[in-house]
Amino acid sequence: KAGVTQTPRYLIKTRGQQVTLSCSPISGHRSVSWYQQTPGQGLQFLFEYFSETQRNKGNFPGRFSGRQFSNSRSEMNVSTLELGDSALYLCASGDGLNYGYTFGSGTRLTVV
Amino acid sequence: AQSVTQLDSQVPVFEEAPVELRCNYSSSVSVYLFWYVQYPNQGLQLLLKYLSGSTLVKGINGFEAEFNKSQTSFHLRKPSVHISDTAEYFCAVIRSSNDYKLSFGAGTTVTVRA
Repeated sequence: KAGVTQTPRYLIKTRGQQVTLSCSPISGHRSVSWYQQTPGQGLQFLFEYFSETQRNKGNFPGRFSGRQFSNSRSEMNVSTLELGDSALYLCASGDGLNYGYTFGSGTRLTVV
Repeated sequence: AQSVTQLDSQVPVFEEAPVELRCNYSSSVSVYLFWYVQYPNQGLQLLLKYLSGSTLVKGINGFEAEFNKSQTSFHLRKPSVHISDTAEYFCAVIRSSNDYKLSFGAGTTVTVRA
């Protein structure tokens, strides 16, 4: 079974730009969650999608948005980038049973 | 509200020695509990989880954890560590029912020395 695929692996953007990150979950998984990891704030939950519906959202500004497609692939978008958005963004794929979340290797976003 | 406290930010340990990583949680409802490991430049890998049943949970790579409801703790143990266990370890919780987000502790960095 292929794992969770996140693209791109690394990204450098300029303040004010926007960025889109992609996550392909494990085949058959319908849940995709996104987390932000920074040295200062640690791991923080962004949002979770299940069958194209957002079920839960963390405490992030509206600049952070996401969506899930019918094939369960998910994208996360951050608009008007700020320096503080520099982080490792992790995607987790879930089977909807037993809370078996599998994480991808992440996208390292650097905002300059 | 719920929070997760990992009591040690760094744990140095010698190879083949035992290690215990401490985790306490606060929650007014029942929780599901997890331990994840993160190696450098990688994502998180699930070591073990407690959903219900036996309070002693065995995971991968020789790790185990014990759920203690009265002390609201979920400490992770390994009887004999290897150099390859050097990594960051995260304790996490999910509130039971209708909550799908993992709330993580700040992490414990384990450094195994020869």
